[in-house]
Amino acid sequence: SQQGEEDPQALSIQEGENATMNCSYKTSINNLQWYRQNSGRGLVHLILIRSNEREKHSGRLRVTLDTSKKSSSLLITASRAADTASYFCASNRDDKIIFGKGTRLHILP
Amino acid sequence: DTEVTQTPKHLVMGMTNKKSLKCEQHMGHRAMYWYKQKAKKPPELMFVYSYEKLSINESVPSRFSPECPNSSLLNLHLHALQPEDSALYLCASSPVNGVYTEAFFGQGTRLTVV
Repeated sequence: SQQGEEDPQALSIQEGENATMNCSYKTSINNLQWYRQNSGRGLVHLILIRSNEREKHSGRLRVTLDTSKKSSSLLITASRAADTASYFCASNRDDKIIFGKGTRLHILP
Repeated sequence: DTEVTQTPKHLVMGMTNKKSLKCEQHMGHRAMYWYKQKAKKPPELMFVYSYEKLSINESVPSRFSPECPNSSLLNLHLHALQPEDSALYLCASSPVNGVYTEAFFGQGTRLTVV
């Protein structure tokens, strides 16, 4: 069963703009992670936020976590063509890493 | 070495064939995972190995048989698959199971069952 639900399912923005993706989950979590997947390839870990953290930054990435609403957001600032990919949130629980449905991000030149 | 290596990259097999997917990591990780991913869908967890023992089987059909010969290797044995089993199979590892661990993924094996 899937843990997270991302929205939007697909997002197209102009290069240089900011992209925001949201993730909601159903059960309690230990942490919330975000991964990127380029077309048909393996996933790359981007950032992990612990359940007792509210915000975390890494380069052009900013992640927030609201455990009361069971939701998280990923913000990519100053988007680049290379950011075109699918983005998934994932949660650790009971030795499992479970992925949400993902957002397909397309950066337009 | 921060890589998870999967072989083969592509595999075409008939429904009566037996084949194996291989996964290798040399990061000293003690948790390893198999995921199945269909096009435009998220990865679905199949199996988790923790310290070389199968800890989680997500009700996967017996035509998929995992094996962990040692702490660096993970295999997925395939037998009598169906065309709907065609997918990208991803292997991952993490330092240990648990609370604050990220997973490292291989590039996957693209499996086609004919």
